[in-house]
Amino acid sequence: GAVVSQHPSRVICKSGTSVKIECRSLDFQATTMFWYRQFPKKSLMLMATSNEGSKATYEQGVEKDKFLINHASLTLSTLTVTSAHPEDSSFYICSAPELAMHIQYFGPGTRLLVL
Amino acid sequence: DQQVKQNSPSLSVQEGRISILNCDYTNSMFDYFLWYKKYPAEGPTFLISISSIKDKNEDGRFTVFLNKSAKHLSLHIVPSQPGDSAVYFCAASALDTSGTYKYIFGTGTRLKVLA
Repeated sequence: GAVVSQHPSRVICKSGTSVKIECRSLDFQATTMFWYRQFPKKSLMLMATSNEGSKATYEQGVEKDKFLINHASLTLSTLTVTSAHPEDSSFYICSAPELAMHIQYFGPGTRLLVL
Repeated sequence: DQQVKQNSPSLSVQEGRISILNCDYTNSMFDYFLWYKKYPAEGPTFLISISSIKDKNEDGRFTVFLNKSAKHLSLHIVPSQPGDSAVYFCAASALDTSGTYKYIFGTGTRLKVLA
């Protein structure tokens, strides 16, 4: 299957700082990428859809000013958690579908801990 | 409102026997159903999918069955191996207005295969 990478794999930051997470599709181009969040022992919740060349679309209840998404190229999307607080601590995972496919390939995830 | 449900949070099976993981959904508009396997602190790995117009799809040891009238699908793993021990997520996808397949995940079932 297709390969999606994420960086960093884990990050610890102080409250009030911003954290950027990168998601790359390594062997295919992705006009769309997705960002998910997983709480401990919970399901994956879709946060937003990242669209190359246009604005991201956010799911209900997700603050777009808090979670900034940029899809700069066909292989890179970034999620920036701005002014992070302890309640933002979570496991963030990105995914990308191959063009016109219904299958999403997931990155390895980023564990964020805000102190 | 949980549109995709996995009612069994955990399942233990003896090595070599069949593992059956179940998933129920409420929305008859889903186009595809997928199963992902996930290890702790890693992204989900795609296992197998099924189109809503089919009732069975098989790939090696993995078979997915879809019962549309009951809005139920199941993943059969046979024979089960210790390496299959992981959390299994069921996902349902539907095209949104922008032509993108979006997923809704179930809450996951932790499978433990005993040697």
